[in-house]
Amino acid sequence: GNSVTQMEGPVTLSEEAFLTINCTYTATGYPSLFWYVQYPGEGLQLLLKATKADDKGSNKGFEATYRKETTSFHLEKGSVQVSDSAVYFCALYPPNTGNQFYFGTGTSLTVIP
Amino acid sequence: SQTIHQWPATLVQPVGSPLSLECTVEGTSNPNLYWYRQAAGRGLQLLFYSVGIGQISSEVPQNLSASRPQDRQFILSSKKLLLSDSGFYLCAWRGQAHNQPQHFGDGTRLSIL
Repeated sequence: GNSVTQMEGPVTLSEEAFLTINCTYTATGYPSLFWYVQYPGEGLQLLLKATKADDKGSNKGFEATYRKETTSFHLEKGSVQVSDSAVYFCALYPPNTGNQFYFGTGTSLTVIP
Repeated sequence: SQTIHQWPATLVQPVGSPLSLECTVEGTSNPNLYWYRQAAGRGLQLLFYSVGIGQISSEVPQNLSASRPQDRQFILSSKKLLLSDSGFYLCAWRGQAHNQPQHFGDGTRLSIL
């Protein structure tokens, strides 16, 4: 089956610290992978995506590399800011198995000054 | 560009009352449409999705229903709300092309009293 496992939160970091949020997946075939960010009281926003093995998605200083050998898509940022405080969701879209997305449970990040 | 609108943003309803939440998409045609519920501090639960007018797939048995009367309109309804229906409801759309991400609305915060 298809599923996403995300690192349990909450995560608290000091400003300018390095961030890693782990995401691993189980999927049929070769899925597309996504990271979404949700700020308090808002909907989810697409942060970055990767559609094939070894692709690196990047946006706003965040990066994630599609690793097929380890079935992972870990989110990283070299220097977090207070404004990065949010909940981050990893998601996958498996090909040819319908129209569903599969989301992780979300990881809450708080960055303190 | 494409936009998605959800309303109302906030709703307080008594137990047993009816519900109608509306979602519309602009700037695209024949999108896949989704309704999710997010309980406080939790992940996303897919409720319904639709690949076309009048085509609704239900993922979770419940007292909610969905309809798609027009190509870019998706409505979530209930005849009698339960306390357990409280939560944050998110509508999303996705293009038909391969590897397209989902795009979310700003959500509706529903409180049942």
